[in-house]
Amino acid sequence: DAKTTQPPSMDCAEGRAANLPCNHSTISGNEYVYWYRQIHSQGPQYIIHGLKNNETNEMASLIITEDRKSSTLILPHATLRDTAVYYCIVRLSNSGYALNFGKGTSLLVTP
Amino acid sequence: DAGVTQSPTHLIKTRGQQVTLRCSPKSGHDTVSWYQQALGQGPQFIFQYYEEEERQRGNFPDRFSGHQFPNYSSELNVNALLLGDSALYLCASSLAYGYTFGSGTRLTVV
Repeated sequence: DAKTTQPPSMDCAEGRAANLPCNHSTISGNEYVYWYRQIHSQGPQYIIHGLKNNETNEMASLIITEDRKSSTLILPHATLRDTAVYYCIVRLSNSGYALNFGKGTSLLVTP
Repeated sequence: DAGVTQSPTHLIKTRGQQVTLRCSPKSGHDTVSWYQQALGQGPQFIFQYYEEEERQRGNFPDRFSGHQFPNYSSELNVNALLLGDSALYLCASSLAYGYTFGSGTRLTVV
């Protein structure tokens, strides 16, 4: 699986959009970008994933650049409950095997 | 629909002892993975079980072993505990590629 690079921490004001970047310059053509988050003292939670097109669900939007070397997770209206560590993971969708978590980005949403 | 259930939630063990952690997967999921998460770090993959066999293993010593039962539940065993084994142990179940994690077992080795 390709390696990812994320900033260690970010702040966001409540109600504003949180934009979390991820670099994955060595991604291969059939690897997907996955995002998980981990709220303190809980297990990681799946957020969204995509291959090349932008994706949106009830939790977030995922914007993948045309060359697929980077992506951005967007939480459109951040709340205090979105304070968590966010992990960007690149992997084959059908491998069924390990998720390679890095250190992620610690997002702090402030009042 | 119950998610992934892990037990116990917390436990304290002494160096050199053995420990068994348990995981019940989400209904309909047939694959169980175990992760170790040290404080301030991302989860690290230990191994994955499918059809009662270890399918993939991460970079962990043989002191870490596991088992999957016919009902898909799983156990993680750690022998000869070291202080460095203190961590949050997470279980994740899956069907195809969608992973659901439990809240983990917090193991403290003293």
